Amino acid sequence: DQQVKQNSPSLSVQEGRISILNCDYTNSMFDYFLWYKKYPAEGPTFLISISSIKDKNEDGRFTVFLNKSAKHLSLHIVPSQPGDSAVYFCAVPHGSGNTGKLIFGQGTTLQVKP
Amino acid sequence: KAGVTQTPRYLIKTRGQQVTLSCSPISGHRSVSWYQQTPGQGLQFLFEYFSETQRNKGNFPGRFSGRQFSNSRSEMNVSTLELGDSALYLCASSTGQKETQYFGPGTRLLVL
Repeated sequence: DQQVKQNSPSLSVQEGRISILNCDYTNSMFDYFLWYKKYPAEGPTFLISISSIKDKNEDGRFTVFLNKSAKHLSLHIVPSQPGDSAVYFCAVPHGSGNTGKLIFGQGTTLQVKP
Repeated sequence: KAGVTQTPRYLIKTRGQQVTLSCSPISGHRSVSWYQQTPGQGLQFLFEYFSETQRNKGNFPGRFSGRQFSNSRSEMNVSTLELGDSALYLCASSTGQKETQYFGPGTRLLVL
């Protein structure tokens, strides 16, 4: 059973516009969330994280929003750039020590058109 | 600081053989986790080592094993390779506290 879900396999946006990537989770005990960006044949690159004590975290063009009651988080990229085209994964640390095991969503492929 | 390094980057093996992959974490990081990425299953957790001890384990058969050395470098071994083991194998390191994991570039394994 998928504990972390990204229901949109792909998203296409125009350069300069906002990209919104969504992620849902099932376990209310999850208290830390991460977003990674991945290019083909490379390892995921950490983008931004959020703790459950917050509902928003910003880093430059990237903002993550957390809605604990809905068990939903979203990643906003503004403005979107062609170099943002990649696969985006949300991930949750879960396991002994609460960090060593990341559960990943299925990923959303973002295409930013020039 | 240097990032996470993995060797080799590419590997071709035949069914029934075994393979060993290596991962060097970021300096000072004591936790190393391994993941398998396949088109059908996405990114799946294999196991995590912290201070030379396996701390977490995913749902993979016993053919998949690992170890960690005193310098935090880790190796992953797959015995009796199957075609379905063809994947990108990623390792990630962290300090071992609750925080971000940083990934290496991966080893692409092809089993023929």
